[in-house]
Amino acid sequence: DIVMTQSPDSLAVSLGETATVNCKTSQSVFYSPDNKDSLAWYQQKPGQPPKLLIYGASKRGSGVPARFSGSGAGTDFTLTISGLQAEDVAHYYCQQYYRLPLTFGGGTKVEIK
Amino acid sequence: QEQLQQSGPGLLRPSQTLSLTCAISGDSVSSNSAAWNWIRQSPSRGLEWLGRIYYRAEWSTDYAESVKSRLTFTADTSKNQFSLQLNSVTPEDTAVYYCAGGWALFSWGQGTPVTVSS
Repeated sequence: DIVMTQSPDSLAVSLGETATVNCKTSQSVFYSPDNKDSLAWYQQKPGQPPKLLIYGASKRGSGVPARFSGSGAGTDFTLTISGLQAEDVAHYYCQQYYRLPLTFGGGTKVEIK
Repeated sequence: QEQLQQSGPGLLRPSQTLSLTCAISGDSVSSNSAAWNWIRQSPSRGLEWLGRIYYRAEWSTDYAESVKSRLTFTADTSKNQFSLQLNSVTPEDTAVYYCAGGWALFSWGQGTPVTVSS
């Protein structure tokens, strides 16, 4: 199985500042036929299901604000929240869909400082 | 974008069978480009993919090794829904269960909290 390692476990960021979440995969998730990395990011608020933010490592999902961006390639990926807003307080998860079983990172809790 | 609506009981006794259904609107369960997944979430195991069902000229399933022997997925095209059956549940199966569509999981059901307790 592909192991997903997220860091940090939690972080506190001031409103309007930038939050950065990292995700490392135990092997490359680059899918050459699509020329994309099979890596997604999700946001989960209490009592709600995860919501897709980013797929293909850097493509925003439908309706996702531009302050959310994804970057990285191969085995190292980053989710950046630029200009943190109060409604961004949540857990964030990375997930690979390169190979079965689909696997998720352990999550990063983002709070307001 | 499709919407997923889950249904099923939330309290079971050990050794019983968990049955959950996920009704799809805005897409077809037999779409040749779709995949329909079940995922569960618990404090001890985090987000855990259980498997998927999909249609490519015929129905196919993939199951996570950890539950493969106890798990069955089915699809009902007349109701445009798919279902999960998990046999012989134990307290370790206590979790919130989600259905979700896609490989990157674009759509999710609302979640069903399931508790296994005697």
